[in-house]
Amino acid sequence: KQEVTQIPAALSVPEGENLVLNCSFTDSAIYNLQWFRQDPGKGLTSLLLIQSSQREQTSGRLNASLDKSSGRSTLYIAASQPGDSATYLCAVRGLRNQAGTALIFGKGTTLSVSS
Amino acid sequence: SQTIHQWPATLVQPVGSPLSLECTVEGTSNPNLYWYRQAAGRGLQLLFYSVGIGQISSEVPQNLSASRPQDRQFILSSKKLLLSDSGFYLCAWNRQGLETQYFGPGTRLLVL
Repeated sequence: KQEVTQIPAALSVPEGENLVLNCSFTDSAIYNLQWFRQDPGKGLTSLLLIQSSQREQTSGRLNASLDKSSGRSTLYIAASQPGDSATYLCAVRGLRNQAGTALIFGKGTTLSVSS
Repeated sequence: SQTIHQWPATLVQPVGSPLSLECTVEGTSNPNLYWYRQAAGRGLQLLFYSVGIGQISSEVPQNLSASRPQDRQFILSSKKLLLSDSGFYLCAWNRQGLETQYFGPGTRLLVL
């Protein structure tokens, strides 16, 4: 059974810092990995999707990497801003997932960026 | 462009009462549809998914049921709510064969 773990659970940094969020998964047979952002009481917004054949994806100040063989992904946020404060969720879709294209989620990392 | 709606946004219900949460998608046809629950201190858990009208699959045994009466409508129901049904319910969709999932704004359910 696929399990997704995110470390740390919470992170507080001053504005301007570069930071890394970690995600690990137990079954390396994944189809893709997706990073989401969730603001308090809101739905999820997709940030980056990495296919299993890819090593990384970039969007603006965000860079996500994937090491499928070791079961790890990182989300790098450059020059953090107070507006980046949110919970960041990592999710994988497994090759052997019976639920169509459903995702297995980690519990998230709650980021707080102070000005 | 595609949009996904959920209502109500917030719901407070007594234990033992029925439940009906609705999700609709606009701007696409024949989407995959999903219901997730996010309980306090836990990650998102897939409850149901549907690949077409009338086709519902359940991921976990539970007190809830789902239906898809129309192509772009997904309904989550219960006949008698339990305290443990409290949580944040998210509906999501994606195109058949494409992987990026798009989430609705969610419904916060509190069962007292």
